[in-house]
This record gives sequence, C-alpha cells and structure tokens, in this order.
Amino acid sequence: NAGVTQTPKFRVLKTGQSMTLLCAQDMNHEYMYWYRQDPGMGLRLIHYSVGEGTTAKGEVPDGYNVSRLKKQNFLLGLESAAPSQTSVYFCASSQETQYFGPGTRLLVL
Amino acid sequence: GEDVEQSLFLSVREGDSSVINCTYTDSSSTYLYWYKQEPGAGLQLLTYIFSNMDMKQDQRLTVLLNKKDKHLSLRIADTQTGDSAIYFCAEMGYGSARQLTFGSGTQLTVLP
Repeated sequence: NAGVTQTPKFRVLKTGQSMTLLCAQDMNHEYMYWYRQDPGMGLRLIHYSVGEGTTAKGEVPDGYNVSRLKKQNFLLGLESAAPSQTSVYFCASSQETQYFGPGTRLLVL
Repeated sequence: GEDVEQSLFLSVREGDSSVINCTYTDSSSTYLYWYKQEPGAGLQLLTYIFSNMDMKQDQRLTVLLNKKDKHLSLRIADTQTGDSAIYFCAEMGYGSARQLTFGSGTQLTVLP
C-alpha cells in the first residue's frame, strides 16, 4: 500500500514549456486535490476532483488544467509554464481525511 | 472567504511543552486538522478534532478547540528535537468536496 505517490519528484522547465504532473493513490479514495506551496503562504488549492471524470477549480486555478480519467490518478498540466509557477506541488487524496504525497518541486526559468 | 491564521515561528527548549495556536473564521467548520511537515517532505497528518469537541488527547499531543472564539491549539508535551518541523492548521468547511483551508504554517524549532 503505497498511499499517495507523485511523479516526477523534481523538474526544471523553461518558460513556455509544458509538462504534466502525475498523482496516483491506491486507497480507492473518491476525492483528489492539487495544491501548491509557496514560502509563507501555506498550501493553496489549485484544482480538485470529487470522483472519476469530474474536476473543479480551487483557489488558484489559472495556468493549470487537470484530468481524472481513472479513479486512482489525478493529472495536473501546465500548458505554458511561467516563472510564477515555480513552486512545490502537492497532491492529496481523501475519503474523510486528506493524505498527501511527497511533493514535486518545479523550477521554471 | 475562509481564513486561517497562525504565528510563523516558535522556539522551545527540549523537554518543555510547545503550544502552537491557530485562529479561523469559518463558523461552519466541521473538522480541524494539524499536519506536520519536515524539510523536503509532504504533509503528515498528526491529529484532528471534530467541531463539536473541545479537547482531544493523543499521547504527547493535546488539541484544544474554543469554538466560540474560533481558536485551535496544539500542545506537544516533552518536546524533542525530532519535533522540529512546520506545523499546519487546517479547517474543513461544510461542503461536498471536503476541501481544506490551510494556515501559513508555524516553524517549530526545538533547542537542545
């Protein structure tokens, strides 16, 4: 039982490049979330999903897209990366309580 | 929107008790959580309390909730150097998506 896993762990992008972050959970949770963590600002919700095939916007959705084609996976896409998207990205899944992955550190140059 | 506030830093001596405080604004909060984040790691759930409770104890951890003042605290007894980390308070509002609103985190430093 791996819990919540995220790939990749670290990535460097140039401005304008695209990438997809993958989150996987093996707990059969309905709810999944993507957050970004920036210094002194805690975690801010980007997008979330309440079940397979559904997604919704969180607090800071601009510049990101998500998909939940399978219940166990939640993908976060950056179509055209900007330096302001340099951050640590955390995925979480939940049935009642949220459990977090180890994070993906993204640097956009 | 909802807001959760925490002080940014706390330093204590090893063996002393630590008290980390949190205030929130959402009167419809259902659950309140404490997470711990060690350097370079994700968030680890420490404990949580349902909004109709006023205290919960779990080994060295004691959570106190004052719902009237919307104040939550986490007390760590006999603080150890391994407790040095960032502690996040989070509240779950009343909604179908079980979303959490996080505070900015309190950096706890335990001095030998």
